[in-house]
This record gives sequence, structure tokens and C-alpha cells, in this order.
Amino acid sequence: DAGVIQSPRHEVTEMGQEVTLRCKPISGHNSLFWYRQTMMRGLELLIYFNNNVPIDDSGMPEDRFSAKMPNASFSTLKIQPSEPRDSAVYFCASSEQSYEQYFGPGTRLTVT
Amino acid sequence: RKEVEQDPGPFNVPEGATVAFNCTYSNSASQSFFWYRQDCRKEPKLLMSVYSSGNEDGRFTAQLNRASQYISLLIRDSKLSDSATYLCVVNNGPGGSYIPTFGRGTSLIVHP
Repeated sequence: DAGVIQSPRHEVTEMGQEVTLRCKPISGHNSLFWYRQTMMRGLELLIYFNNNVPIDDSGMPEDRFSAKMPNASFSTLKIQPSEPRDSAVYFCASSEQSYEQYFGPGTRLTVT
Repeated sequence: RKEVEQDPGPFNVPEGATVAFNCTYSNSASQSFFWYRQDCRKEPKLLMSVYSSGNEDGRFTAQLNRASQYISLLIRDSKLSDSATYLCVVNNGPGGSYIPTFGRGTSLIVHP
């Protein structure tokens, strides 16, 4: 049984470039979450989808960040333009009926 | 006051010891609670849910104290493999929506 799949696992990019992170949730899960984790701020919820609809995006840092969920099996988190302070590990998680969450392995983003 | 607070530790204990962590939350309307475990450079993984009546799974016991607004995790007979960061999650939101908030985590080091 495949868990949450994220790609890429590692991304190194230069400041100003567009970055797109991808997530495939567990089949049958109807909630999807995007998180960012840094040493300074811990694990922060960026946005939460339920049945493909964004429910809460109050954690999205600014307009440079956008997230979409075009269908139940795919979501993207885009940063444009990227900045060095965006360097972090980005996790995607999914859950059934918004209870226990299952995390993907994360994307380690470095912006130089 | 932060929504969810944990003692960052580290808790440094010998094998076989019993150790307990607390996690306090500020929103009295919080609806559900979980403990996650995160190993270094890995994703968080669900350890256990925290029910009003308490929850026990082998060497692990989780409890909820709504009056004082904290949850606890007790680990008995600590193993070297228990070394990790333990994150508590508090779930609350308007109208029964699910907005998870993670604590910063408590670091546990079990030594021989």
C-alpha cells in the first residue's frame, strides 16, 4: 500500500526561480495538508484541502506561495519567485475524514 | 501564549527508564489530539491518538486532561530506539473544521 508520495525529494534552486512541489495523497483520503518545517519555526501548516477545496490557507506566507489540488490524487505547492528564506523541508500529509494524518517523506528545498 | 507548547528537552534517560512528556494547549474548544514521532531528517509518523478516556499501546500511554488543557505521553521501559522527537498535535477550528496545530516537539535521547 503506497503512502503519500512527494517529488522531488531534494530541490536546489537559485533565488528568483519558480519551484513546484508535488504530492500524491493516499488513495481514498479526502484531506490534504501542506506543511513547512524549519529549525526556527518548527512544523507550520501552510494550507489544508478537503475534497479538493482549500479550506484554510491562512498559513501561506505570502502571495509568492500558491497551492492547487486539481483532483483527489494530486496537489502542487508553487513558490514564485523563490527566496533564500524559503529554504526548508516541505511535507505533504493526507488523512481520511480529517483525523490521523500520514506524511510523505518531504521535499528538502534549498534556495541559494 | 503559543497555541500548543512543549518542553523542547532534550530528555536524556537510560534504557529501561520511564519518561513522561506534557503538551499544553490554549484553545479550550480543541477537539482531538495526537502524538507523533519524528526521527532525524524523516517525516513525522503517527504514534497514537489521545482519547478522553486515555489510550495505551504497549509501553506507551497517552492521556488527556481537559480541565487543565494538556495531554501527556508516558513511555515505560525506554528503548534505545525510542530516541526521537515527539510532537503533539491539537486539532481545532470553527464549526468542527479540522485545523491541526503542531507543537515544536520534545527531544528524547535514550542512552545505554
